Amino acid sequence: EAGVAQSPRYKIIEKRQSVAFWCNPISGHATLYWYQQILGQGPKLLIQFQNNGVVDDSQLPKDRFSAERLKGVDSTLKIQPAKLEDSAVYLCASSRETNSYNEQFFGPGTRLTVL
Amino acid sequence: GNSVTQMEGPVTLSEEAFLTINCTYTATGYPSLFWYVQYPGEGLQLLLKATKADDKGSNKGFEATYRKETTSFHLEKGSVQVSDSAVYFCALSDPPRQDSSYKLIFGSGTRLLVRP
Repeated sequence: EAGVAQSPRYKIIEKRQSVAFWCNPISGHATLYWYQQILGQGPKLLIQFQNNGVVDDSQLPKDRFSAERLKGVDSTLKIQPAKLEDSAVYLCASSRETNSYNEQFFGPGTRLTVL
Repeated sequence: GNSVTQMEGPVTLSEEAFLTINCTYTATGYPSLFWYVQYPGEGLQLLLKATKADDKGSNKGFEATYRKETTSFHLEKGSVQVSDSAVYFCALSDPPRQDSSYKLIFGSGTRLLVRP
């Protein structure tokens, strides 16, 4: 079974530029998560999708961050414009759809550096 | 709100030494508890979990027991190997809202370095 795929693996941009990250979850996984992991900290949930609907975006900075999951499969996370404090690893994870806990499977992440 | 506190690293051990990484949590209700591991250059992987008080999760020689009375979930291994060098994250699951899956809340991570 193929794992969660993310691209690009690394990205360096200037502040105020825009950037987009892509995630392809494990086939059949209805729930998709985007996390932000700042150096030295644990991952923090940004947004959670169930199929193509948002179920939790309470910690997403909506003035600059946006995410979509068209057709309930792939997802993109965009930052526009980027700030220095957005430098972090952006992790995508997916899990099966049930009402009890299911293991979240993580991709390798995209390391963003904002200069 | 719910939170997880881990001991700061790095933890440096010699091969075959005993490992303990402390984790305590604050939560309302009865969360599930997890340890995730992140090897260099790889994504987070679930190492073990426990879903109720007094449960013991175990995997690859690692163990952790869900202690409700001390709100702890310490990770232990009797004899570490160089290949165990990684960053270890303790996490809890926030109870879900209707029609949603569980949300994970992570600690800040503890880096383990095992020397030959």
